[in-house]
Amino acid sequence: EDQVTQSPEALRLQEGESSSLNCSYTVSGLRGLFWYRQDPGKGPEFLFTLYSAGEEKEKERLKATLTKKESFLHITAPKPEDSATYLCAVHSRHKLIFGAGTRLAVHP
Amino acid sequence: DTAVSQTPKYLVTQMGNDKSIKCEQNLGHDTMYWYKQDSKKFLKIMFSYNNKELIINETVPNRFSPKSPDKAHLNLHINSLELGDSAVYFCASSQWVRGSYNEQFFGPGTRLTVL
Repeated sequence: EDQVTQSPEALRLQEGESSSLNCSYTVSGLRGLFWYRQDPGKGPEFLFTLYSAGEEKEKERLKATLTKKESFLHITAPKPEDSATYLCAVHSRHKLIFGAGTRLAVHP
Repeated sequence: DTAVSQTPKYLVTQMGNDKSIKCEQNLGHDTMYWYKQDSKKFLKIMFSYNNKELIINETVPNRFSPKSPDKAHLNLHINSLELGDSAVYFCASSQWVRGSYNEQFFGPGTRLTVL
């Protein structure tokens, strides 16, 4: 069965303290791995798509990487405005399967 | 603004009532989705329409009936509401390209509370 597991469930960082979020997946034939950011009371906002192992994408302080079994979202020198829930999803049979998310809190 | 929009934002109703949620996208996409996000924040696909044709129906009770009058709209009608239907419902859209799986864009969500 296709499955996505994210860790940690919650992460508290000091401003400027870099860290990584993990997304491990099992899927029959990866058709794309997606990272989204969700702020409280809002819909998920698209960040990145990764299609093949070894691929990397960057946007401001965020960098997403992909291996055959997992993806990492690296956050470099985070700021309080990076606080959100980060969701990982894999594309399988015309649908996205989401993980439970990592709640990130960045404190000044 | 180009976006996915949903109405209403909040919906509070009594058990047994029938209600509808509307979704519109002006991104020119041909595929639309309904997701349910429960209290544990898990996002789960319910339905997907491509060019007004139902392509995904994920073991959702038949009290839930989606309707797509055209490619830009996907509405969700719920009959005989139950307490367990309380959740946030998200609409999303994407453009299907053969051999490619593009990102989905989400609406702001509709928080449904059944009393």
